[in-house]
Amino acid sequence: EVQLVESGGGLVRPGGSLRLSCAASGFTFSGHSMSWVRQAPGKGLEWVATITPSSAYLYYADSLQGRFTISRDNARNSLFLQMNSLSDEDTAVYYCARFTIRGETEFDYWGQGTLVTVSS
Amino acid sequence: QSALTQPRSVSGSLGQSVTMSCAGTSSDVGAYNFVSWYQQHPGRGPKLIIYDVSKRPSGVPDRFSGSKSGSTASLTISGLQAEDEADYFCCSYAGRYTVIFGGGTKMSVL
Repeated sequence: EVQLVESGGGLVRPGGSLRLSCAASGFTFSGHSMSWVRQAPGKGLEWVATITPSSAYLYYADSLQGRFTISRDNARNSLFLQMNSLSDEDTAVYYCARFTIRGETEFDYWGQGTLVTVSS
Repeated sequence: QSALTQPRSVSGSLGQSVTMSCAGTSSDVGAYNFVSWYQQHPGRGPKLIIYDVSKRPSGVPDRFSGSKSGSTASLTISGLQAEDEADYFCCSYAGRYTVIFGGGTKMSVL
């Protein structure tokens, strides 16, 4: 059974940093591109970043202005998101999502999400 | 890049059909046949229900169908059931390995 379990969320002050993790199981992690997608309270989904299977290519939403870094460890079946210079606009549930084996066009599995709250 | 445009809410009675729209541009929905739809129940992660505009993953009932005309995609749910009450998000490939989502539609079953 495919499972994606996010962790690392919590309360952080504006300007602070946080590192999210996603533990993957039940599939060949190294065979899929992965993404982080976020959802602000009561809002829609927003794609954040994508990393290809071997970490050769990284893609980010323009709105992040270089503050976030996506990475992965295929040996540990883990996906990460380093978030710096956080503002209240970054408050959201952050989901780890798996692209299908076909490529970066749709997500076939999602985690339950981890809540990040940026507040003073 | 602006989010795809979805109606805030739609509703229908048990057994009826509802259709919700997803309006994009010539750079996303209009440019690629890589539109997907996701169902999200409260407190849960999204679930893929349609990909490639109109294809259904294994296990998704054929009550769910998708289509596209120009830069607007649509999701139709036929034979509404109580468990279909959820939020629905459209998504489109937007080139250069990016995807863009809609703001979501809250579907209520009357």
